[in-house]
Amino acid sequence: DAKTTQPPSMDCAEGRAANLPCNHSTISGNEYVYWYRQIHSQGPQYIIHGLKNNETNEMASLIITEDRKSSTLILPHATLRDTAVYYCIVLLGATNKLIFGTGTLLAVQP
Amino acid sequence: EAGVAQSPRYKIIEKRQSVAFWCNPISGHATLYWYQQILGQGPKLLIQFQNNGVVDDSQLPKDRFSAERLKGVDSTLKIQPAKLEDSAVYLCASSYDRRLGAHFGSGTRLTVV
Repeated sequence: DAKTTQPPSMDCAEGRAANLPCNHSTISGNEYVYWYRQIHSQGPQYIIHGLKNNETNEMASLIITEDRKSSTLILPHATLRDTAVYYCIVLLGATNKLIFGTGTLLAVQP
Repeated sequence: EAGVAQSPRYKIIEKRQSVAFWCNPISGHATLYWYQQILGQGPKLLIQFQNNGVVDDSQLPKDRFSAERLKGVDSTLKIQPAKLEDSAVYLCASSYDRRLGAHFGSGTRLTVV
């Protein structure tokens, strides 16, 4: 399974865009990039996923580089409720095995 | 739709005792996961079921942990006997289709004293 690398923590001002990076340099062609977040004392919550193309939904946007070795999760207008640990996961297309790393603690500041 | 249900919410036991956790996934979700999350760490996958068959249990400490998913719906995770290092939150998740992501329950917080 491909390994992911994320910064341990980031700060963002409320109302600004939060850009969370993830490196997955060993990703294979059939492996998807997934993002989850975990708010304190809750279970992880699915945000978005992608394979090659950039993706957008009501929660966030996912930008995947052309070589697929890295990606960025974008929260366009961060709020205090977006303070959480964000996990970037690479998922093999043939299985549904979700392997979490240590994630990035995003602190949204007022 | 109803979410993933887990019980109990909290459990405190003494070391060497046994404990069981229960998970009811979202209806129709064929894939079910159990995770262990120690304070300050990311969730660690213990076991993954597809219907009532085990897909992956490589990280499950089989000398003390066991899990089953009878009839491909509800699942139980058991620890026997418990050790102090088993203190953690045990999360259950289910998935219908990987394109839709996995849904997590609120977890069971286990404290072994």
